[in-house]
Amino acid sequence: SYVLTQPPSVSVAPGQTARITCGGNNIGARRVHWYQQKPGQAPVLVVYDDRDRPSGIPDRFSASNSANTATLTINRVEAGDEADYYCQVWDSSSDHRVFGGGTQLTVL
Amino acid sequence: EVQLVESGGRMVRPGGSLRLSCAASGFTFNDYGMSWVRQAPGKGLEWVSGTNWNGRSSTYADSVKGRFTISRDNAKNSLYLQMNSLRAEDTALYYCAREPLDGSGHYYFVYWGQGTLVTVSS
Repeated sequence: SYVLTQPPSVSVAPGQTARITCGGNNIGARRVHWYQQKPGQAPVLVVYDDRDRPSGIPDRFSASNSANTATLTINRVEAGDEADYYCQVWDSSSDHRVFGGGTQLTVL
Repeated sequence: EVQLVESGGRMVRPGGSLRLSCAASGFTFNDYGMSWVRQAPGKGLEWVSGTNWNGRSSTYADSVKGRFTISRDNAKNSLYLQMNSLRAEDTALYYCAREPLDGSGHYYFVYWGQGTLVTVSS
């Protein structure tokens, strides 16, 4: 089955840029989606189809996808961005939805 | 307003069975594919199972295939997960989640419930 690999943790100072990666074999050929989950809350979709943002998600959140790595970028990081972030794809060969292991973003 | 409300979670013994429900409102239920996603305590998200708009096409994660069955009742705007032969590793918060319009070719989760907790322990 398809595997997505994320770093367990990323730390960044307020106002700086956070980059969270999601690795997968030829992931650039798939649509990647990103979720934010704060403690005790359900996940929230922050980016879908590689780079589109749902309404209400600030434009500080952006993403890209190429070759074997997808990246979620959070500009001008705020304390409120501290959360777990998950990437997700659809594996067409199995019709499974696949999540990465998640990355804990810490705002220093 | 889209709402997904899960219920049915409780403590159950290993080998036991449980049926989870998800009541949907605020949208035309039979236009959308639905999934169950779980999260073990302190762990990441794991997709469990999904079904298309009419329930005739369903898929399962390898970890639950043969033990869990997803179903839906469009007349009742409800999604279900029948869980049999439960194991300690099935202990998790189970979320009901909605995908974009069925047939759109998009497979992500725009709306989530708040989850229902299943604990498998002797």
